[in-house]
Amino acid sequence: DAMVIQNPRYQVTQFGKPVTLSCSQTLNHNVMYWYQQKSSQAPKLLFHYYDKDFNNEADTPDNFQSRRPNTSFCFLDIRSPGLGDAAMYLCATDQGGGNQPQHFGDGTRLSIL
Amino acid sequence: AQSVTQPDIHITVSEGASLELRCNYSYGATPYLFWYVQSPGQGLQLLLKYFSGDTLVQGIKGFEAEFKRSQSSFNLRKPSVHWSDAAEYFCAVGAQDYGQNFVFGPGTRLSVLP
Repeated sequence: DAMVIQNPRYQVTQFGKPVTLSCSQTLNHNVMYWYQQKSSQAPKLLFHYYDKDFNNEADTPDNFQSRRPNTSFCFLDIRSPGLGDAAMYLCATDQGGGNQPQHFGDGTRLSIL
Repeated sequence: AQSVTQPDIHITVSEGASLELRCNYSYGATPYLFWYVQSPGQGLQLLLKYFSGDTLVQGIKGFEAEFKRSQSSFNLRKPSVHWSDAAEYFCAVGAQDYGQNFVFGPGTRLSVLP
């Protein structure tokens, strides 16, 4: 089945140690999104790619970076994780345009020691 | 820019009872509306969507939602709740123009009593 896959499901890293989360999709969608979701809150958009065009949200910390080497893959890099970055990170895709539903992966739960 | 409110943070219903989750939106044009469900530790799953046409839309798992333009609402309903419906529910609005991002409401947590 076509889907959005996030690896790993659970990631533990140390305070200040760089970490990379990955997302792949078999839907061939143009747009890939990264969201941060903290407990009992709505997902918060960090940034997205429309094809190779990167769009950063104004309030996304510089500590968060992203790469999209090809249509299928997108990575979230956290350069120096702080305790406040512990959260669920969700990847989503769509075909582009506000009338398209976003398809979500199961997320990566990031813990900071 | 669009916005979404979900007035109920937490709702508890008994299994077999009916359910209605409220969603109100703010957008200057005809919105694209969605309901998602999130089980603990999981991603979001699309329940249903409204683009145009019939204002009563059917979704998966027995859910339906009704778009009421006059009330700027898109409430989610289910006639008989099952214990497996316990989850977090998010209403979301998309914009007609690309560049205005998808906006989620704050979510409503549903608990189901046996």
